[in-house]
Amino acid sequence: DTGVSQDPRHKITKRGQNVTFRCDPISEHNRLYWYRQTLGQGPEFLTYFQNEAQLEKSRLLSDRFSAERPKGSFSTLEIQRTEQGDSAMYLCASSRGRTGYGYTFGSGTRLTVV
Amino acid sequence: GQNIDQPTEMTATEGAIVQINCTYQTSGFNGLFWYQQHAGEAPTFLSYNVLDGLEEKGRFSSFLSRSKGYSYLLLKELQMKDSASYLCAVRDIPSGGYNKLIFGAGTRLAVHP
Repeated sequence: DTGVSQDPRHKITKRGQNVTFRCDPISEHNRLYWYRQTLGQGPEFLTYFQNEAQLEKSRLLSDRFSAERPKGSFSTLEIQRTEQGDSAMYLCASSRGRTGYGYTFGSGTRLTVV
Repeated sequence: GQNIDQPTEMTATEGAIVQINCTYQTSGFNGLFWYQQHAGEAPTFLSYNVLDGLEEKGRFSSFLSRSKGYSYLLLKELQMKDSASYLCAVRDIPSGGYNKLIFGAGTRLAVHP
């Protein structure tokens, strides 16, 4: 078990382009979360999956953002028509059930929109 | 809604003890977590409190008072590698269920020789 993996680690894109990030959770974890973190702030919830079902999506998330988790394994987060305000660290986390031990986070994907 | 407050920055000396406070306001508290995050890295789990009292784990301890909406993280025998941000997060059932953690902005701790 190598923990939660995220790819790529860094992404620089031009404004208006689409980007897609991938997250591979810990294999026995059925819950997967996406968070966004900007400099000097704590992680902000984006969306949550239990197995392949997307059960919650933040109201702060615009329609340009979409996430999938086919077959309940890895997940992708796509941002369409990127804006400079999308520049942030995108963190993926996974957990097994209603764990009292919180999440295991991946190392994140740092997105810079120029 | 929820509100989580923690100091923005703290400094301490190697070998000393430091206490990082966190206050929160929630409508349905169900657990408080502390995470450590080194610059450019993922947050890593440190502690979990759901009942009042002190939880000790090696050099780190975490305290919770639900009636006061207050927690602290105590770091003993500070080492240079403890320089990091420390994130307080709560699980608030009405707003997020059992699945969403709400994070504070974090406290950036600098440990000096």
